[in-house]
Amino acid sequence: DAGVIQSPRHEVTEMGQEVTLRCKPISGHDYLFWYRQTMMRGLELLIYFNNNVPIDDSGMPEDRFSAKMPNASFSTLKIQPSEPRDSAVYFCASSLIDSARHEQFFGPGTRLTVL
Amino acid sequence: QKEVEQNSGPLSVPEGAIASLNCTYSDRVSQSFFWYRQYSGKSPELIMSIYSNGDKEDGRFTAQLNKASQYVSLLIRDSQPSDSATYLCAVNAGGSGNTGKLIFGQGTTLQVKP
Repeated sequence: DAGVIQSPRHEVTEMGQEVTLRCKPISGHDYLFWYRQTMMRGLELLIYFNNNVPIDDSGMPEDRFSAKMPNASFSTLKIQPSEPRDSAVYFCASSLIDSARHEQFFGPGTRLTVL
Repeated sequence: QKEVEQNSGPLSVPEGAIASLNCTYSDRVSQSFFWYRQYSGKSPELIMSIYSNGDKEDGRFTAQLNKASQYVSLLIRDSQPSDSATYLCAVNAGGSGNTGKLIFGQGTTLQVKP
């Protein structure tokens, strides 16, 4: 079975440009998570969805960040306008909540560089 | 603020030794605990899950959970250079309902020297 798929794998853009990151969760999973990882701050949860509905977006740093999940197999994280401090690796993860289990599986990540 | 604490390391062990990685958490109602391995430049990979007090073994890996002490650990027996990575402890955010949210520690870097 395919794991979580993310695109692009690398993105280099200039400050002020719009950036869109994409994620396809594991088929059948009902939770989708967006994380950001930097050396300074570690792995941070930005937002997560349950059955395509945003549940908690308290980790989204600013209004420049937005995320959508139009259907069970696709989600986007958009940054507009981008800034150099947004440079990080962005991971998408998905899980299937079964009783008390919360195993999350991560995609390969998108390495974003904002110049 | 619910937290998960890990020693950042690096933890250095010789090849063949036992590596012991530790994690404490603050949320008493947490029920699910995980260890992820992350190689440099790669994504976190789930290697162990534990839900009940005691030990859970999988090959060279043993996860240990003590809910009373709010402590979870990972033992790696016969450590190999290929085990060199950052190990992330994760705990489900408890409270009411089944949130699906995990709280991650900052990770412990393990170096296994040949």
